[in-house]
Amino acid sequence: NAGVTQTPKFQVLKTGQSMTLQCAQDMNHEYMSWYRQDPGMGLRLIHYSVGAGITDQGEVPNGYNVSRSTTEDFPLRLLSAAPSQTSVYFCASSYSEGGEQFFGPGTRLTVL
Amino acid sequence: GIQVEQSPPDLILQEGANSTLRCNFSDSVNNLQWFHQNPWGQLINLFYIPSGTKQNGRLSATTVATERYSLLYISSSQTTDSGVYFCAVDIWTGNQFYFGTGTSLTVIP
Repeated sequence: NAGVTQTPKFQVLKTGQSMTLQCAQDMNHEYMSWYRQDPGMGLRLIHYSVGAGITDQGEVPNGYNVSRSTTEDFPLRLLSAAPSQTSVYFCASSYSEGGEQFFGPGTRLTVL
Repeated sequence: GIQVEQSPPDLILQEGANSTLRCNFSDSVNNLQWFHQNPWGQLINLFYIPSGTKQNGRLSATTVATERYSLLYISSSQTTDSGVYFCAVDIWTGNQFYFGTGTSLTVIP
């Protein structure tokens, strides 16, 4: 049981490039979320999903796209990276709405 | 949106000391969770505690939902307790957790 996995661990992009951050969980959780953490701050919700095919926006969705085609995977896409998107990105999953959240190890992204 | 405030922002303890961390939230919440972010950045679940009191070893937590606060107690602190402690609350719409800005704890030997 790997829990929540994220790839890559580190990534450096140039302004304007696109990329996809991968998130997968093997706990059969319906609920998945993406957060970003900036220095000295708590985590902020970007997008979340309550099941395959259903996604919604969180607190800071601009510049990010998500889709959920399977229960296991919830990728986060940056369409045109900007320096303001330099952050650490965490993926989380939970069994039920508002249930205990389990986090992946994070992806540290730098946009130059 | 909901406001989640944690205090104190920073805390330095001698090994063996006890401490209390506080989390205040501005509105009714569905659930509350405490996390420890270790120096390597990993988020570790401590407590899932929408109300009441729970204990796990040297750590315990109490949430008083009607008064909109939660407390995390750390007893006999150890250097491995160092890191940042976050509380996060779930509001009643969808699966949206809101985090406080954390308490940075340093335990010195």
